[in-house]
Amino acid sequence: DGGITQSPKYLFRKEGQNVTLSCEQNLNHDAMYWYRQDPGQGLRLIYYSQIVNDFQKGDIAEGYSVSREKKESFPLTVTSAQKNPTAFYLCASSGRSGQRSGNTIYFGEGSWLTVV
Amino acid sequence: GQNIDQPTEMTATEGAIVQINCTYQTSGFNGLFWYQQHAGEAPTFLSYNVLDGLEEKGRFSSFLSRSKGYSYLLLKELQMKDSASYLCAVRDPYGDSWGKLQFGAGTQVVVTP
Repeated sequence: DGGITQSPKYLFRKEGQNVTLSCEQNLNHDAMYWYRQDPGQGLRLIYYSQIVNDFQKGDIAEGYSVSREKKESFPLTVTSAQKNPTAFYLCASSGRSGQRSGNTIYFGEGSWLTVV
Repeated sequence: GQNIDQPTEMTATEGAIVQINCTYQTSGFNGLFWYQQHAGEAPTFLSYNVLDGLEEKGRFSSFLSRSKGYSYLLLKELQMKDSASYLCAVRDPYGDSWGKLQFGAGTQVVVTP
């Protein structure tokens, strides 16, 4: 079945460590996104990528980094510079504007990151 | 930027109807989404409105008025499984990407027996 796979589901990070969250999609979507969700708040955009080897900062990019070496993959690294990383992280993808699939954004199952 | 407001929580009885309102203040508009999210899970797509009017899809309907900056999601014949958070999101009108959305904080719907 087509979809978006995030891993790991749960991750614990010690202070000062970098951690990487994986996101893979087999929907043949061009665009991919990372959102962060905090309790009682809406989703906020961290980074997004329209095409391979290109990505743009979202509203809360500080302390995060991404790469887009393959169309199917968009990993997110939470660096030690992110001072409050405990949150639920959601990866998403969509088709290009104008494509029939472009009107819908699909989300992965999410990854819980906790700082210990 | 965009400001998106929706109620924090609503409670309704099984079998009843609930209407979740969403208002937005934006400098432009390029579509509004409704998502359902159960606790600890991914949001799932419910509806997309870009033109004024009502879109009906089974027990769920979504309405949009662009002139009023207003949308609502109507849930009919409520079932216990409808207990979830409902997210209103507006697409960035000037964005270079189709999936750049601004989300409201979500409305927690509690369905009681």
